Amino acid sequence: SQQGEEDPQALSIQEGENATMNCSYKTSINNLQWYRQNSGRGLVHLILIRSNEREKHSGRLRVTLDTSKKSSSLLITASRAADTASYFCATDGQAGTALIFGKGTTLSVSS
Amino acid sequence: NAGVTQTPKFQVLKTGQSMTLQCAQDMNHEYMSWYRQDPGMGLRLIHYSVGAGITDQGEVPNGYNVSRSTTEDFPLRLLSAAPSQTSVYFCASSIRTHNEQFFGPGTRLTVL
Repeated sequence: SQQGEEDPQALSIQEGENATMNCSYKTSINNLQWYRQNSGRGLVHLILIRSNEREKHSGRLRVTLDTSKKSSSLLITASRAADTASYFCATDGQAGTALIFGKGTTLSVSS
Repeated sequence: NAGVTQTPKFQVLKTGQSMTLQCAQDMNHEYMSWYRQDPGMGLRLIHYSVGAGITDQGEVPNGYNVSRSTTEDFPLRLLSAAPSQTSVYFCASSIRTHNEQFFGPGTRLTVL
């Protein structure tokens, strides 16, 4: 079974708005990572947050992690059309030796 | 650096045929993995390796074999292709398991 599950499955917003997507996972983790995938392309790493961190920023990205709720959120501020993509969270597997991805959130930003 | 390379980009097979998807990285990464991506299913882990000579199964290993004889290469073998293996296959690598993963461009496989 998949470790991480993103919510919502799809999100449509206007340029300039903020986009928030969530990830829930099932077991203890070492870290949680977020990736972006543009249509038909490979995944690109966005940000990694360790289990002892609560919040991390990178440019217009803000990631939070709540280990007590086994959940994380990715906030993209001031969205642009170029942010249109699928976003995936990834966590260690139960044995901590493999990276397991969720099904992703598809973000559509219209101008 | 070329990063992670995958060949071929596209492949069409007939049911029962075998083939090898190639993956190579030039970053001296210890960890390499194979995923398949199907619509609505996200990425599912097929096999992974934490170093040369060491491989392990992921979520969906049936019908696939791997080996890791060198740090650079991690080929994925389809033993007897089935239509259910029609998918996009991604190879990824990282310094170690828990670090940032670098993905290849993918191989789009169709099994008729």
